[in-house]
Amino acid sequence: DIQMTQSPSSLSASVGDRVTITCRASQSISRNLHWYQQKPGKAPKLLIYATSTLQSGVPSRFSGSGSGTDFTLTISSLQPEDYATYYCQRSDSTLWTFGQGTKVEIK
Amino acid sequence: QVQLQESGPGLVKPSETLSLTCTVSGGSISSDYWSWIRQTPGKGLEWIGYIYYSGSTNYNPSLKSPVTISVDRSKNQFSLKLSSVTAADTAVYYCARTKEYYDFSAYYYYMDVWGKGTWVTVSS
Repeated sequence: DIQMTQSPSSLSASVGDRVTITCRASQSISRNLHWYQQKPGKAPKLLIYATSTLQSGVPSRFSGSGSGTDFTLTISSLQPEDYATYYCQRSDSTLWTFGQGTKVEIK
Repeated sequence: QVQLQESGPGLVKPSETLSLTCTVSGGSISSDYWSWIRQTPGKGLEWIGYIYYSGSTNYNPSLKSPVTISVDRSKNQFSLKLSSVTAADTAVYYCARTKEYYDFSAYYYYMDVWGKGTWVTVSS
C-alpha cells in the first residue's frame, strides 16, 4: 500500500510569508496528487488537482508542483484567510488516500 | 451550483448498521462519481468509497466494517451503509462529488464539491 507523508505536520508563518508544504509518496504516483484546504468545523475545499491545476476560483497565490514521489504546495504570500490545515490526496489506483495534514498557524 | 447535504442518524449502536444519505441539489446525479469520506481526530481523512452514476462502485479495502454505496437517480441521492459498526467508526462523514479528469496521459479523480459533513457517534 502506498503511504503519503506530509511535512511539516505544522508550521507557523506570518502574513506575507512564502509557505511550502511537501507531500511524499512511498512509490511513484505520477501526477495523481491533489491538495485541499480545511478550516475548523468546515469540509475540505479543493485547491489544486493533478499536481498543478488550480481549481476554479482559487487565488493564484496557491500553486502546486512535482511528479513521481515528491510534491509541493506553495502559497506565495500568506494571507489571513489561509490559516488552515492542508491535505494532499492520491488517486492513482483503486485505493485513494490522504496525507495526515499540515496545520498552518499564525506566527 | 451543485450542493450536497448529508442526512441520517447521529447515533448508532455498536454492531448495527450506519446509514447515511447524500442529497444532490443544483445539478444532476446522472454524471460524475460520488464519494463518501470520513474524518476522525485520530486517523484524519479516510476515503470510504465511490459510486458512479451508473451504479459501479469502488470501496476502500482497508475498512473493517462492510460497506455498501448505492445511488437513487430518481431522488438525486446516493447512500452509504456501514455494517457491524464499532466505536472506531465514530467520525464526521462527508459526501462529495468526484470528478474524473483526463490529460492525455492518465485519469485523475478528485473531490471538488463537498457536503458540510455529519457527525456520527457509535455508542450504546
